[in-house]
Amino acid sequence: GAGVSQSPRYKVAKRGQDVALRCDPISGHVSLFWYQQALGQGPEFLTYFQNEAQLDKSGLPSDRFFAERPEGSVSTLKIQRTQQEDSAVYLCASSLGGTGNQPQHFGDGTRLSIL
Amino acid sequence: GDSVTQMEGPVTLSEEAFLTINCTYTATGYPSLFWYVQYPGEGLQLLLKATKADDKGSNKGFEATYRKETTSFHLEKGSVQVSDSAVYFCALSETGTYKYIFGTGTRLKVLA
Repeated sequence: GAGVSQSPRYKVAKRGQDVALRCDPISGHVSLFWYQQALGQGPEFLTYFQNEAQLDKSGLPSDRFFAERPEGSVSTLKIQRTQQEDSAVYLCASSLGGTGNQPQHFGDGTRLSIL
Repeated sequence: GDSVTQMEGPVTLSEEAFLTINCTYTATGYPSLFWYVQYPGEGLQLLLKATKADDKGSNKGFEATYRKETTSFHLEKGSVQVSDSAVYFCALSETGTYKYIFGTGTRLKVLA
């Protein structure tokens, strides 16, 4: 079946521009996660949705970062007034349930470069 | 707080060599443990998992055993192939939570 789909694969923006990154989770998956992966590092948690409810946004680095999942399926991560330090790969993951022992399935990521 | 420590890479091996990638963790409870693999230009793929002490996860010839006494989850493979070249991430998730905590990753390069 289809996996987690992210778009665009690559995004280049000028400092100060707003960007929107899209995630299409596996159909029927309740939980959706966003991670930020800096070059040479492991992914770091940004935010978590259970259906349409954003239950944890503790990892969002600043109020310039905003995520939504209005209908409990597709999610968008928006970054306003981008800065160079926002350059990273943004990974989306989904899982069937909401507990940690269920594996998360990752998309291929969006590589964001801020000039 | 919870953390995962992986051995530094890159690890360079010849084809058919034995592989060990060390992973140790710090957690307050009884986490689930995972190994993910990331091929160039791709997202993370689950390789194997273990949810309780002494469990052994295995997949595609890779194995890892959940050792609570040493807080470790080392990844092993008896005979690596060139196609195993990738970055390997160890991760944990605390019981009752959903958040994954990842190590920094270990790059494996297998030479023909």
